[in-house]
Amino acid sequence: EDKVVQSPLSLVVHEGDTVTLNCSYEVTNFRSLLWYKQEKKAPTFLFMLTSSGIEKKSGRLSSILDKKELFSILNITATQTGDSAVYLCAVGLIQGAQKLVFGQGTRLTINP
Amino acid sequence: GAGVSQSPSNKVTEKGKDVELRCDPISGHTALYWYRQRLGQGLEFLIYFQGNSAPDKSGLPSDRFSAERTGESVSTLTIQRTQQEDSAVYLCASSLSGVRTDTQYFGPGTRLTVL
Repeated sequence: EDKVVQSPLSLVVHEGDTVTLNCSYEVTNFRSLLWYKQEKKAPTFLFMLTSSGIEKKSGRLSSILDKKELFSILNITATQTGDSAVYLCAVGLIQGAQKLVFGQGTRLTINP
Repeated sequence: GAGVSQSPSNKVTEKGKDVELRCDPISGHTALYWYRQRLGQGLEFLIYFQGNSAPDKSGLPSDRFSAERTGESVSTLTIQRTQQEDSAVYLCASSLSGVRTDTQYFGPGTRLTVL
């Protein structure tokens, strides 16, 4: 069974701290790994990773994939209260159906 | 509009009633997906439409759940004889092409509460 596991499930830090969120996966026919930010209901797309070792960056957020060890990390530096959200990791599979398999999410809370 | 839209945003219903949820994908997106998210959980895949191909219904949890899509436009998810365990946020997403890209753009969701 395809599985995506995120850790920690919940994280509370102070504004300005740096955080690292983890995502590990066990799937057949891996194609891509995606990170989403979910503040209220609609997840918003952050990154899509397909190749190992190539860091993707967007402002204070960055992410990297390790296809050998089957995990990805999402880093957020100099956190702000607006970064508070649930961060979802999903894996896209090479299958007839282009569905994503999601992890359970990490709830990040940034305290001022 | 530029994004995926869903209606209603909230729906409260009584156990045993049928409900219909609507999704308008981004114009030009051929692939459309429905997901369910229970409180504090990740997203569970329900069903996928790609153009005029037969939909992938492998995620539908029971025969009380069904979905339709006409061409590359609006989709409706119908839940018959609702149960309390159906309470969740139902999210719709669309992507440019189910084959070329995995980047899915999500709507705001419909929060369904079954009393």
